[in-house]
Amino acid sequence: EPEVTQTPSHQVTQMGQEVILRCVPISNHLYFYWYRQILGQKVEFLVSFYNNEISEKSEIFDDQFSVERPDGSNFTLKIRSTKLEDSAMYFCARRQGLTGELFFGEGSRLTVL
Amino acid sequence: GQNIDQPTEMTATEGAIVQINCTYQTSGFNGLFWYQQHAGEAPTFLSYNVLDGLEEKGRFSSFLSRSKGYSYLLLKELQMKDSASYLCAVARLGSRGGNKLTFGTGTQLKVEL
Repeated sequence: EPEVTQTPSHQVTQMGQEVILRCVPISNHLYFYWYRQILGQKVEFLVSFYNNEISEKSEIFDDQFSVERPDGSNFTLKIRSTKLEDSAMYFCARRQGLTGELFFGEGSRLTVL
Repeated sequence: GQNIDQPTEMTATEGAIVQINCTYQTSGFNGLFWYQQHAGEAPTFLSYNVLDGLEEKGRFSSFLSRSKGYSYLLLKELQMKDSASYLCAVARLGSRGGNKLTFGTGTQLKVEL
């Protein structure tokens, strides 16, 4: 199956700036996810998105974060005012297969200075 | 909540067999996944268990005991390219369907000559 494409692959930003990370999954999939991984730490769930609405979100996913699927194809994660601790790899994932495993995109590395 | 434990690191010899254990505590269990993650890359799906027993897939096998909250990943005929982090992830059914995966911290496997 076609891969999940994420852009940018790497973004460096100043603290307090807004960042938008993009994911282009297959348009006919219903379940999408954002996960993040701080360097050297575990992969953490941020939010799940079903049928163009947030299905579930974690404690990490506070008011600074938002997700959208503005054009029915691109799937975006926005961080309104970045903090140093937002520096991480952000993975978009879609559900695939009968077992429901997640297929991860290559990730977007965010560095906040 | 969910609690997942796996060893931090393991070392094995090329051509040998290695077993990576994972214990978990969770509510609403909907399967256990194993992923492989090379440094700087996205996790890639290896195996899935939802019923007790062994699932075999080439050089990789995974076992599950739901009553014991225990799984292992068995890697046979180890190759140098198997050096990676192996992530145990427990799935819980989301509020609107789809799986929410919670990951362990990963086991860093080093394969030596």
